[in-house]
Amino acid sequence: EDKVVQSPLSLVVHEGDTVTLNCSYEVTNFRSLLWYKQEKKAPTFLFMLTSSGIEKKSGRLSSILDKKELSSILNITATQTGDSAIYLCAVEARSGGGADGLTFGKGTHLIIQP
Amino acid sequence: DTEVTQTPKHLVMGMTNKKSLKCEQHMGHRAMYWYKQKAKKPPELMFVYSYEKLSINESVPSRFSPECPNSSLLNLHLHALQPEDSALYLCASSPIYYNEQFFGPGTRLTVL
Repeated sequence: EDKVVQSPLSLVVHEGDTVTLNCSYEVTNFRSLLWYKQEKKAPTFLFMLTSSGIEKKSGRLSSILDKKELSSILNITATQTGDSAIYLCAVEARSGGGADGLTFGKGTHLIIQP
Repeated sequence: DTEVTQTPKHLVMGMTNKKSLKCEQHMGHRAMYWYKQKAKKPPELMFVYSYEKLSINESVPSRFSPECPNSSLLNLHLHALQPEDSALYLCASSPIYYNEQFFGPGTRLTVL
């Protein structure tokens, strides 16, 4: 059974701090790893990672995949209160032709205090 | 148009009712998905449609019946649901070979 584990499950920091969120996975026929941010509504897409060692960046957020260690990290620098959310890691496993669904981890609940 | 829309936003139904959830996207995506999300839990995959054909059914009970009438629309027909089916139902779409899934806002379903 495919498994995605995120840590920590919750994290409280002060505005301006840098945070690192972790995701490890065990899947058969790995295809890609995705990060989403979820506030009170639907998950919003952040990054998709398929190749090991290549960092993806968007503003203060960045992520990297380590296929050898079967893991990924999501970094957020200079955190702001608007970064408070649940950060979900999801993995796509190749099932054959066509599209595959995502298996999600339980998420990291990040709270940024002013 | 770069969004996935879902209707209704909220739905309350009894255990004997029949209702439908609707999802629409105009991004040209040929894969569409239904997920179920319970409170404080991550989304769980229910169904995947590829090129309007059901390609994955994650052993979902038959009281949930998906339908993909065309490449832009995805429905989820509900019949004889149980209170434990109360949840946020999320629709997503993606290109077939790059699984960057975009989620709709969800339908919050309450079964009485």
